Amino acid sequence: QKEVEQNSGPLSVPEGAIASLNCTYSDRVSQSFFWYRQYSGKSPELIMSIYSNGDKEDGRFTAQLNKASQYVSLLIRDSQPSDSATYLCAVKEGGEERGSRLTFGEGTQLTVNP
Amino acid sequence: KAGVTQTPRYLIKTRGQQVTLSCSPISGHRSVSWYQQTPGQGLQFLFEYFSETQRNKGNFPGRFSGRQFSNSRSEMNVSTLELGDSALYLCASREGGYYGYTFGSGTRLTVV
Repeated sequence: QKEVEQNSGPLSVPEGAIASLNCTYSDRVSQSFFWYRQYSGKSPELIMSIYSNGDKEDGRFTAQLNKASQYVSLLIRDSQPSDSATYLCAVKEGGEERGSRLTFGEGTQLTVNP
Repeated sequence: KAGVTQTPRYLIKTRGQQVTLSCSPISGHRSVSWYQQTPGQGLQFLFEYFSETQRNKGNFPGRFSGRQFSNSRSEMNVSTLELGDSALYLCASREGGYYGYTFGSGTRLTVV
């Protein structure tokens, strides 16, 4: 069973601070990594995807991938109360020919305090 | 483009009954996957369909089944419902390749 582990929460940060979310995975052949945001009572929303080592920035979000260390992280700069949600790390296993699946971490609940 | 559409949004069933959930993927997306989300187990993969073929299946009992139609719409069926089947069932579609999965709003199933 492939595993995806996220840093235990809940995580609480003040408004304007940087929130750091971490995730490690066990499947060395995984190539695609995603961060989803899920508000209470809603479905997961894709906010970042990353496939290559290094950083990928999109607005206030930065995803970081280190395949050698098998970890992926998400930084949220200038955190806003509207960022309060559960953040799910997902690793894609498999490929196009034989089918694929997402394996999710347990999620980290983030609260941004005004 | 319209998003992933799941129907119904809410469902209450009695133990022993069966249920069918429906999912219409984003136009042009041929891959459809189903996930179960519960507070205790988190998000777990059920199965993936592509071009009407099941390509991948998660670790769920045979009571859970699905299919995909030629227009890429998908259904999943759960027979002989158990209390533990109460969950949010999520459908996701994607274009393929490195693209991410887009989830629908889900169907909240309650088994009483």
